[in-house]
Amino acid sequence: AQKITQTQPGMFVQEKEAVTLDCTYDTSDPSYGLFWYKQPSSGEMIFLIYQGSYDQQNATEGRYSLNFQKARKSANLVISASQLGDSAMYFCAMREGNTGKLIFGQGTTLQVKP
Amino acid sequence: DAGVIQSPRHEVTEMGQEVTLRCKPISGHDYLFWYRQTMMRGLELLIYFNNNVPIDDSGMPEDRFSAKMPNASFSTLKIQPSEPRDSAVYFCASSPRGRTMNTEAFFGQGTRLTVV
Repeated sequence: AQKITQTQPGMFVQEKEAVTLDCTYDTSDPSYGLFWYKQPSSGEMIFLIYQGSYDQQNATEGRYSLNFQKARKSANLVISASQLGDSAMYFCAMREGNTGKLIFGQGTTLQVKP
Repeated sequence: DAGVIQSPRHEVTEMGQEVTLRCKPISGHDYLFWYRQTMMRGLELLIYFNNNVPIDDSGMPEDRFSAKMPNASFSTLKIQPSEPRDSAVYFCASSPRGRTMNTEAFFGQGTRLTVV
């Protein structure tokens, strides 16, 4: 069954430091995509980064990178040089290629300290 | 395009009343998702449609919840009768045609529902 897990309810990081948000997943579909979204306190859902199951290289988008370890079924988000504006809830999501179903993890609240 | 449009943005209703949430997806998108967000349960997928057809409604909590997509540009999520435990933020999202595994979903602003 399709499942996605974020085990860190809350994280703190010092401004300008890097932080890793954990995400593990499970699926029987060999074709899938992994996504990270940011939800600031205003409530909107902002797409950050995508990784495909067949991609050989880890995805990067500016200060965001996705540490994809397929054998371990993990897709951790790395934010480099944290900024105060990075304080938000972060969701990991997975989409199965066969069904198109998109499910989310429980989310991790990140607080960046000045 | 204006993005995914949800209405109303806020809804306060009394227990037992019928509530209808509305969603207009981005034009040309063929997947539409309804999610519910609460502190306790996170972001739960309730139901999703492909080309206006419901594909998976296993996340719908109970028979009080129903969803329809009469055409490609409109969907509704109805709760009848509503209960205080239905209080949550309800999101609608759509995604474009293409390989489903690599297309992200675009979210509406959400509807904050409070049932008193």
